[in-house]
Amino acid sequence: KAGVTQTPRYLIKTRGQQVTLSCSPISGHRSVSWYQQTPGQGLQFLFEYFSETQRNKGNFPGRFSGRQFSNSRSEMNVSTLELGDSALYLCASSSLGPSRLSGANVLTFGAGSRLTVL
Amino acid sequence: TQLLEQSPQFLSIQEGENLTVYCNSSSVFSSLQWYRQEPGEGPVLLVTVVTGGEVKKLKRLTFQFGDARKDSSLHITAAQPGDTGLYLCAGRYGSQGNLIFGKGTKLSVKP
Repeated sequence: KAGVTQTPRYLIKTRGQQVTLSCSPISGHRSVSWYQQTPGQGLQFLFEYFSETQRNKGNFPGRFSGRQFSNSRSEMNVSTLELGDSALYLCASSSLGPSRLSGANVLTFGAGSRLTVL
Repeated sequence: TQLLEQSPQFLSIQEGENLTVYCNSSSVFSSLQWYRQEPGEGPVLLVTVVTGGEVKKLKRLTFQFGDARKDSSLHITAAQPGDTGLYLCAGRYGSQGNLIFGKGTKLSVKP
């Protein structure tokens, strides 16, 4: 069973540009969550999608957006990049719906997309 | 704001030593998970605890959930270099809350 696949693995952008990251969940998983990981703040929740609908959103500015397609693949977009957006962006998939049965909701993470903003 | 505090932030020990990592919050968790993350990889789930006072063992790793479900600990016995990594606790508040992560404990086990 293939794991969670994130592309690209590494990318470098300059301030003001925009970026799109892609996540392919485990086959059969319908829930996809995105996290931003930085040394100073750790993992911070961005948003969660289930069946093409955003079900939960973290405290990030509107420059951060995402979507989910009918095949459960998800993309996130960051517009007008800032230096502080440099981070590892992690995607995780789950077979269960948003936060249902909390104890059994297992997230499987991808290896992440490392974004550097110059 | 619900915060998860992990301690210590960094830990460097020799092979064969024991260690304990702590995860604390002022709020009650509905469930808590521990992950390990290695460089260049995403976090991998180690265990989920749900019941206050619960203890789970995974080989040399022992996970404990506090009676009040506000804290948890991870104890590693006879640490090995392969245990090196970033250990993250993640808690969920309420039945539909997002998973909130601590900042992690970076463990280095030297041979």
